[in-house]
Amino acid sequence: QVQLQESGPGLVKPSETLSLTCTVSGGSINTYFWSWIRQPPGRALEWIGYIYNSGSTSYNPSLKSRVTMSVDTSKKQFSLRLTSVTAADTAVYYCARHVPGGSWNDFWGQGILVSVSS
Amino acid sequence: DVQVTQSPSSLSASVGDRVTLTCRTSQGILNYLAWYQQKPGRVPELLVYSASTLQLGVPSRFSGSGSGTHFTLIIENLQPEDAATYYCQKYNSAPQTFGPGTKVEIK
Repeated sequence: QVQLQESGPGLVKPSETLSLTCTVSGGSINTYFWSWIRQPPGRALEWIGYIYNSGSTSYNPSLKSRVTMSVDTSKKQFSLRLTSVTAADTAVYYCARHVPGGSWNDFWGQGILVSVSS
Repeated sequence: DVQVTQSPSSLSASVGDRVTLTCRTSQGILNYLAWYQQKPGRVPELLVYSASTLQLGVPSRFSGSGSGTHFTLIIENLQPEDAATYYCQKYNSAPQTFGPGTKVEIK
């Protein structure tokens, strides 16, 4: 059974960079796409983007100027960087998997709450 | 970008009821639509993909249908454990937008 686990700081100061890592266990990181999705408190899910094990990416246009995703297949990890954060970026951040040709998210991490505050 | 809307925003129904949730997109997306269930304080879980294919392990009282711009998720014989917010997501192209959700409460 594939398991995903997000890690990173739970508090980031405004204007700084949010950095999160997702570790994949129980399955291969290859041949899959790996997504980041976030959910502000009490609000709906928002797709941030995804990365393939080759490093190719697709980002939400609304966040594209601030988002960078990367993957380290040797560590079975992929990462999210979001620059110039504001309070509006406070959310639970989820990492998730989707299959090529499918793009639905079948396995999700438990999520990590990241608050943006000074 | 393609807009995704869901209706109703919330509903209250009794155990045993048949419930219909609707998801609409502003442009046709063929059948590139998924449904997720999120219980309070929990991680979203995949229910349906390709508009009508039930994910393994999902009870058969859930069913999805639709194509193009109009999609439905039906819950037959509503159970107490079905209390949750249901999100649709279109994934034909980026951005893979989620709908605003429908909150289902049990009377």
